[in-house]
Amino acid sequence: QKEVEQNSGPLSVPEGAIASLNCTYSDRGSQSFFWYRQYSGKSPELIMSIYSNGDKEDGRFTAQLNKASQYVSLLIRDSQPSDSATYLCASVGSSNTGKLIFGQGTTLQVKP
Amino acid sequence: DAGVTQSPTHLIKTRGQQVTLRCSPISGHKSVSWYQQVLGQGPQFIFQYYEKEERGRGNFPDRFSARQFPNYSSELNVNALLLGDSALYLCASSLEGRVFTEAFFGQGTRLTVV
Repeated sequence: QKEVEQNSGPLSVPEGAIASLNCTYSDRGSQSFFWYRQYSGKSPELIMSIYSNGDKEDGRFTAQLNKASQYVSLLIRDSQPSDSATYLCASVGSSNTGKLIFGQGTTLQVKP
Repeated sequence: DAGVTQSPTHLIKTRGQQVTLRCSPISGHKSVSWYQQVLGQGPQFIFQYYEKEERGRGNFPDRFSARQFPNYSSELNVNALLLGDSALYLCASSLEGRVFTEAFFGQGTRLTVV
């Protein structure tokens, strides 16, 4: 079992729709979770961090964390073609060192 | 403010050679981590350094080594290069190393081993 799992996709949504990206993790002691966006050929860009159960909103992005279910999600409202990228979910394990554990990423395609 | 800077951006090496990659963190950040990302996969943790000390090491062979300098910049060295070392090498900078804070990536170094 991978420590952080994501569906690789591609996830295809029409422009203006809500894109829902999901991630599960195996280390129940994980405390910190992050979503990175990575355009093809570029490095990951941090877009959201979440540490507590519930929702955290930032503009068109909402991160959701459910520690009981070991589940993290990212919602992108009013999706734009410029949102087309790979979205990486990452956690910091229970040791809380500087090690980020990444999923393999979900490719999102927003079609005009 | 300058972000995380890595050099070089691209590199082509021959099998068996050695390579050194460099990273300068965001000003004020004391922790630097290195990751390897192969095509189609998420980044894999190689090392973390905080205040010039190694804080963590991932599951990579001893051919991989790193260090952090007094100005918090860092170098990643890879000896005896293999074709499988071809990847995007990412440096991440964060404020602290004892309690994890948000990490920001540089643009990466694309290493091709031929």
